Amino acid sequence: IAGITQAPTSQILAAGRRMTLRCTQDMRHNAMYWYRQDLGLGLRLIHYSNTAGTTGKGEVPDGYSVSRANTDDFPLTLASAVPSQTSVYFCASSDGGSHNTGELFFGEGSRLTVL
Amino acid sequence: GQNIDQPTEMTATEGAIVQINCTYQTSGFNGLFWYQQHAGEAPTFLSYNVLDGLEEKGRFSSFLSRSKGYSYLLLKELQMKDSASYLCAVLDSNYQLIWGAGTKLIIKP
Repeated sequence: IAGITQAPTSQILAAGRRMTLRCTQDMRHNAMYWYRQDLGLGLRLIHYSNTAGTTGKGEVPDGYSVSRANTDDFPLTLASAVPSQTSVYFCASSDGGSHNTGELFFGEGSRLTVL
Repeated sequence: GQNIDQPTEMTATEGAIVQINCTYQTSGFNGLFWYQQHAGEAPTFLSYNVLDGLEEKGRFSSFLSRSKGYSYLLLKELQMKDSASYLCAVLDSNYQLIWGAGTKLIIKP
């Protein structure tokens, strides 16, 4: 059982470039989330999706976009990367039905460096 | 604003007991969670408290006092593999998880 798969695991990117981080889950969970994790800060929610076809903004959505065309996939796109988007990005899912149960399953993370 | 406070770093000895505290101020409360995160890895779920009291799960226990906005994670019989960061998170009234910055636990032989 793969759980949640993220790609790439690591990427160095020039500022101004477009980048898509991929996230796929095989648990048929309704809800999916994108977080960024920076040293000294808690996990910060970027965008979320409670079910296929719907998305919402989290705490730090600016500069990022997401889509949820189906249950399994939840890609995160940086339209024009900036150095402040250097971070570790985690995709997560939960099987909470209409709302978040708080028990999240995380992917292994994507380490992004923007120069 | 919403806030989760936990110590940045703690050190303990192998075989000993350690308590990691977490205090919170959030808009509503739908549960408190502890996650473990080893360096370079993803967080993994440890425990969930929604009612006051102690929840025990093997060597790990988690306590909650909603009136005090306080929780702790108790780790007994510490092993070297327990060296990790421990993240406290609260599910608020909008069912959004609010995360603390994590406590890095260093275990010494």
